[in-house]
Amino acid sequence: DAGITQSPRYKITETGRQVTLMCHQTWSHSYMFWYRQDLGHGLRLIYYSAAADITDKGEVPDGYVVSRSKTENFPLTLESATRSQTSVYFCASSDRENNQPQHFGDGTRLSIL
Amino acid sequence: GQSLEQPSEVTAVEGAIVQINCTYQTSGFYGLSWYQQHDGGAPTFLSYNALDGLEETGRFSSFLSRSDSYGYLLLQELQMKDSASYFCAPRVGTGGFKTIFGAGTRLFVKA
Repeated sequence: DAGITQSPRYKITETGRQVTLMCHQTWSHSYMFWYRQDLGHGLRLIYYSAAADITDKGEVPDGYVVSRSKTENFPLTLESATRSQTSVYFCASSDRENNQPQHFGDGTRLSIL
Repeated sequence: GQSLEQPSEVTAVEGAIVQINCTYQTSGFYGLSWYQQHDGGAPTFLSYNALDGLEETGRFSSFLSRSDSYGYLLLQELQMKDSASYFCAPRVGTGGFKTIFGAGTRLFVKA
């Protein structure tokens, strides 16, 4: 039971670079989410997806792109990374229409220099 | 806009009971979840209240009053391992697809 896995766990990159964070779940959950967590802000929703090929913006989508061509994968791309995008990124999934519970991956710690 | 309020820190002793309150102002409210997060770890689900009242799961209980836009998490028989951050997280927005997390309450359990 692999669950939900994120890769890489740690990433350092430079401003202006493109970087993609991967999220893979083995449960065939319909709903998937990307959050970022910064000190003092809790978790903020970036994008979510209700099913393959269906995505929508969350609270803080600017500077991010997502895709969901397969149910199990939900990659998050920073097209041109900025220092303000330094954060811990969590992917989550849920199989319920009420989206609870959400099962979280271990996170990706991203530093942009 | 949307806002959440919960205390930033709470300290309690092992074996005690602690209540973490949450008040919210949101649009399209569907229910209230609680998540726990240990330092360096991922959030883990504790409970979800869609209706008013108390939900009990072992040592943890969660309460919701929709008319008061208020909920709380009650932790009984505190253990050292309960030291963590606790987030109230309303489910909001059209269709309820968005879950909003506040800044969380950091709980310190002392021996």
